[in-house]
Amino acid sequence: ETGVTQSPTHLIKTRGQQVTLRCSSQSGHNTVSWYQQALGQGPQFIFQYYREEENGRGNFPPRFSGLQFPNYSSELNVNALELDDSALYLCAGEMDSLVDTQYFGPGTRLTVL
Amino acid sequence: DQQVKQNSPSLSVQEGRISILNCDYTNSMFDYFLWYKKYPAEGPTFLISISSIKDKNEDGRFTVFLNKSAKHLSLHIVPSQPGDSAVYFCAASGEDAGNMLTFGGGTRLMVKP
Repeated sequence: ETGVTQSPTHLIKTRGQQVTLRCSSQSGHNTVSWYQQALGQGPQFIFQYYREEENGRGNFPPRFSGLQFPNYSSELNVNALELDDSALYLCAGEMDSLVDTQYFGPGTRLTVL
Repeated sequence: DQQVKQNSPSLSVQEGRISILNCDYTNSMFDYFLWYKKYPAEGPTFLISISSIKDKNEDGRFTVFLNKSAKHLSLHIVPSQPGDSAVYFCAASGEDAGNMLTFGGGTRLMVKP
């Protein structure tokens, strides 16, 4: 039990649509990171938020955006969906005292048709 | 440009024997390395980590070895158990990357009874 939950579990969208994925982390997880895991690959870092401010970004276009809220929840928004956006999206919470030991949620499986 | 590579996509081991999972990296700025285990329909869970100032870290049946000159790390599981069957990811982080995690592509370990 990692204390990190994600919703929805699965989602199907069509190309060009917009999607919002949600993550709920436990108290004390001041840092949240989002990852994209394509089939057969390892997770790829999208961005990280620390106390509601973006704290780092991977090689993803601006149509991937995020928000972090004071109640330790966060969102990943993707605009203008493309077929290649089909993947498992993982969020991970991290406590200040345990830097680099991230607790992952189960992920949201996004399929873009 | 894959900075963290796991060259074996799968590994099959008999119960009770040793499992050795390998990982190579190219970025010499990485200074902290982690192994995660992932079961289907779950997020990756933290297994063990090692700082670049050490060459070995042990936790029960799991030992991680780091060879900085070769930019290589390995995870040893001994004795292997059927419940260890999962996908294993190595990950690396460094201060120049804002402590974001860079993952390898994963190795699927199957432990046969």
